[in-house]
Amino acid sequence: EAGVTQFPSHSVIEKGQTVTLRCDPISGHDNLYWYRRVMGKEIKFLLHFVKESKQDESGMPNNRFLAERTGGTYSTLKVQPAELEDSGVYFCASSQGSGFKSYDEQYFGPGTRLTVT
Amino acid sequence: QKEVEQDPGPLSVPEGAIVSLNCTYSNSAFQYFMWYRQYSRKGPELLMYTYSSGNKEDGRFTAQVDKSSKYISLFIRDSQPSDSATYLCAMSPDDKIIFGKGTRLHILP
Repeated sequence: EAGVTQFPSHSVIEKGQTVTLRCDPISGHDNLYWYRRVMGKEIKFLLHFVKESKQDESGMPNNRFLAERTGGTYSTLKVQPAELEDSGVYFCASSQGSGFKSYDEQYFGPGTRLTVT
Repeated sequence: QKEVEQDPGPLSVPEGAIVSLNCTYSNSAFQYFMWYRQYSRKGPELLMYTYSSGNKEDGRFTAQVDKSSKYISLFIRDSQPSDSATYLCAMSPDDKIIFGKGTRLHILP
């Protein structure tokens, strides 16, 4: 079974440009998460989709970031316009969603390394 | 105060040694305590998770949670060069995960 995939693996853009990151979750997983790690910091939560709905977007840094999940399948994260501080590794994760009192494991993709110059 | 504190290392130990990794946290609402392993250019991979306090063992790995002290540990017995990676402690009050910075571990052959 294919894992979580992310595209591109690396993106270098100039400040002010727009970049769109894509995440394809594991087939059948209702939950999709975006996280980000900036240099020297811990991985931080950005937002959580349940199917096509945003369940929690409390970690989104500002309105330059827009996440969508069309039809509850793949998700995109757009940064417009990009700033230098947006550089980092963006991880996507997906989980099945148990609905029970047990841990719903999140499976992570390899990440997209974004460099804003 | 950060929610989760983890010494970033690096930590170098000889092959076969016992490795001890740990984290402290501040939020009493955390219910799930996890350890992830991350190899270079890869995403984090779940090693073990524990619900509430106690110990959990899986092969050479043992996870411990002490909620009274807000302290969690991961022990690796008979460490192997293939265990060289970054180990991230992580905690969850609900669906999102709160990560520590990660400890870079090197097992020397």
